[in-house]
Amino acid sequence: EAQVTQNPRYLITVTGKKLTVTCSQNMNHEYMSWYRQDPGLGLRQIYYSMNVEVTDKGDVPEGYKVSRKEKRNFPLILESPSPNQTSLYFCASSNRDGNNSPLHFGNGTRLTVT
Amino acid sequence: GDSVTQMEGPVTLSEEAFLTINCTYTATGYPSLFWYVQYPGEGLQLLLKATKADDKGSNKGFEATYRKETTSFHLEKGSVQVSDSAVYFCALVSRKGGSEKLVFGKGTKLTVNP
Repeated sequence: EAQVTQNPRYLITVTGKKLTVTCSQNMNHEYMSWYRQDPGLGLRQIYYSMNVEVTDKGDVPEGYKVSRKEKRNFPLILESPSPNQTSLYFCASSNRDGNNSPLHFGNGTRLTVT
Repeated sequence: GDSVTQMEGPVTLSEEAFLTINCTYTATGYPSLFWYVQYPGEGLQLLLKATKADDKGSNKGFEATYRKETTSFHLEKGSVQVSDSAVYFCALVSRKGGSEKLVFGKGTKLTVNP
């Protein structure tokens, strides 16, 4: 089954404790992206990757890192989480053709930073 | 930059009522337009899309027509069901330099009561 898998689904952590949210897709998609969803703000893009070893900042990259060493994986790293990073995070992937290829989303990771 | 504005929610309807969720956009050129739906506890999934002016996207009884004169892509359904309760996002493909990304509206929460 074609899917984007994020782990964990829920994560509670404390300020400053490094964490990684994993994302994996099995559709051989070139494009992958991370979004955060907050009430009243909708979805905002954090980082994206057009292909292996190619990453770029989205609209809200501060406090986050990503890597794309393999095509299928695109982990999101929070080196020193802060409470304002409490949010619902989504990973997504697609073929590199925005017109005809929709984004496929994971089921989300709800992060709480205390 | 490119942006999407959709009607504020929440929207509450009775089963079999007519649904309209307004969406307007600001963009350079004529971007592809999308409606995504997010059911409780899940990621977003593509509902329908339109890639050029006057195109009508349709799926599961939902429709939206790409109107370049009014820069709009309103979502409609003639008779909603309880199972349509979800958050709906309007989106467009934004291109800048060599990259592209989806720009989302803030979402409209729909609740359908039996």
